[in-house]
Amino acid sequence: NAGVTQTPKFRVLKTGQSMTLLCAQDMNHEYMYWYRQDPGMGLRLIHYSVGEGTTAKGEVPDGYNVSRLKKQNFLLGLESAAPSQTSVYFCASSPFAGGSTDTQYFGPGTRLTVL
Amino acid sequence: QQQVKQSPQSLIVQKGGISIINCAYENTAFDYFPWYQQFPGKGPALLIAIRPDVSEKKEGRFTISFNKSAKQFSLHIMDSQPGDSATYFCAASMRGNFGNEKLTFGTGTRLTIIP
Repeated sequence: NAGVTQTPKFRVLKTGQSMTLLCAQDMNHEYMYWYRQDPGMGLRLIHYSVGEGTTAKGEVPDGYNVSRLKKQNFLLGLESAAPSQTSVYFCASSPFAGGSTDTQYFGPGTRLTVL
Repeated sequence: QQQVKQSPQSLIVQKGGISIINCAYENTAFDYFPWYQQFPGKGPALLIAIRPDVSEKKEGRFTISFNKSAKQFSLHIMDSQPGDSATYFCAASMRGNFGNEKLTFGTGTRLTIIP
């Protein structure tokens, strides 16, 4: 049981390049989230998904797109990377509402640098 | 707009001492208040959480104190140990339209326990 995994762990991009971050969870969770973590700002929600095929915007969605074609995977895309998107990105998942816990389980993070 | 304010930004405590981290929130619709612990290079992990119908929750050396009227909550770590050295995030949550918990994080406190 790997929990939440993220690929890649590190990436360096040039301004204007595109990339996709992959998140996978093996806990059969309904909800999945993408956050970015910046020094002094905590974690901020980018996008989230409440089920396969559904996505919604979070607090800081501009410049990002997401897709959830399979329940266990949640992809975060950057179409044209900007230096302001240099950050550590965390994926999280949580079980369906009404369960015994509202815990969000986080992956190990992807450190992205945009030059 | 920072809906959850966390202090201090950093904290140094002697081994065996009490570590105290404070958070304040603005939105009275928040109904779940978790604390997450993050070690360097890792994703955040749920440490302890409280709902606003109780004023205190204790799990081992970790205690959350909750003051609903003041809209404040705090984490107390008793008998602090070097292994507690980490970054701690408070968060506040409310149910989204689809039943998922939408977390708003504080900015984090870097705790260092010295021998």
